[in-house]
Amino acid sequence: NAGVTQTPKFQVLKTGQSMTLQCAQDMNHEYMSWYRQDPGMGLRLIHYSVGAGITDQGEVPNGYNVSRSTTEDFPLRLLSAAPSQTSVYFCASRTGTGLNTGELFFGEGSRLTVL
Amino acid sequence: AQRVTQPEKLLSVFKGAPVELKCNYSYSGSPELFWYVQYSRQRLQLLLRHISRESIKGFTADLNKGETSFHLKKPFAQEEDSARYYCAPTNPDRGFKTIFGAGTRLFVKA
Repeated sequence: NAGVTQTPKFQVLKTGQSMTLQCAQDMNHEYMSWYRQDPGMGLRLIHYSVGAGITDQGEVPNGYNVSRSTTEDFPLRLLSAAPSQTSVYFCASRTGTGLNTGELFFGEGSRLTVL
Repeated sequence: AQRVTQPEKLLSVFKGAPVELKCNYSYSGSPELFWYVQYSRQRLQLLLRHISRESIKGFTADLNKGETSFHLKKPFAQEEDSARYYCAPTNPDRGFKTIFGAGTRLFVKA
């Protein structure tokens, strides 16, 4: 059971380039989300999804796009990378979107550097 | 607005000493409350959740609705407890999104 898989683990971009961080989960979780982790800022929610075809903004959505065409996949797109997007990105999923929601399961993280 | 406050960025204690990691939240309604832990070179993982009322690795967390706090406690810290800890309320609105605090880095000295 792979759990939550993120690719790539490391990426270096130049300002203005675009890229997609991939996230896949094999646990049939309804809820998926993306966070960025920065020193002193903790984890900040970028976007989240409560099911296929449904996405919503988190705390820091600007500069990022998401889509959820399947239950398993939740890619995060940077359309025009900026140095401020240098961070470690985590994908997380869980079962349930209502009361008594389950725990979040995290990917290993993707370290992105924008020059 | 939803807000989670973990006032200590770094907490350093000696092995065997009690430890308390503070968490205060500002939410409407009654959020479900979690603590997550990130050990060095490992994925973030659940430490405990309020609804289960479990004690995990000797840690407990008490919900104080009046103070809107969910502090994490352990009576005798161990070196292997050194990690980063995140308080994470889950908001009972559309989607039940989870917002994390800034985290507290716990360092347990021998």
